[in-house]
Amino acid sequence: EAQVTQNPRYLITVTGKKLTVTCSQNMNHEYMSWYRQDPGLGLRQIYYSMNVEVTDKGDVPEGYKVSRKEKRNFPLILESPSPNQTSLYFCASSLQGRAVGETQYFGPGTRLLVL
Amino acid sequence: LAKTTQPISMDSYEGQEVNITCSHNNIATNDYITWYQQFPSQGPRFIIQGYKTKVTNEVASLFIPADRKSSTLSLPRVSLSDTAVYYCLVGDRMDSSYKLIFGSGTRLLVRP
Repeated sequence: EAQVTQNPRYLITVTGKKLTVTCSQNMNHEYMSWYRQDPGLGLRQIYYSMNVEVTDKGDVPEGYKVSRKEKRNFPLILESPSPNQTSLYFCASSLQGRAVGETQYFGPGTRLLVL
Repeated sequence: LAKTTQPISMDSYEGQEVNITCSHNNIATNDYITWYQQFPSQGPRFIIQGYKTKVTNEVASLFIPADRKSSTLSLPRVSLSDTAVYYCLVGDRMDSSYKLIFGSGTRLLVRP
């Protein structure tokens, strides 16, 4: 089944404790991205990747890191989480990331609480 | 940068047709317009996509005027299960990169 998976689905942590949220897709998509969703703010893009070893900042990259060493995986890293990073996170992928004729496939989400 | 504007919320009743309009004044020539639906605690789900004029599928219709500065998602005969947030998405191409920007979303409430 074609899908985007994220782990963990729920995470409670404390300020400053490094964490990684994994994202994997099995559709051989070139484009992957991370979004955070907060009440009243909709979906905001954190980082995106056009292909392996190619990443770029989205709208809200501060406090986050990503890597794209393999095509299927795009982990989101919080080196020193802070309470303002408490949010619902979504990973997404699409074939090439182009608007023409493409659809983005979203993962189930990771709900993060930073105390 | 292409940005979108949508109504924050809309109310409707079962069986009615709902039209949600999205403004995207700076849409680029090669950009498509895509609409997504999102239920609480779930990832967005693709509804429909178009470039110009009208597109229809089994779920919705999308109307895009000639100037492409706006688009209207039309949901025929909504049911309670259509209560969700609807996002308008327009691609934004910058050089060789591709930065996708979601609109603020429209929260649709369908009442019995």
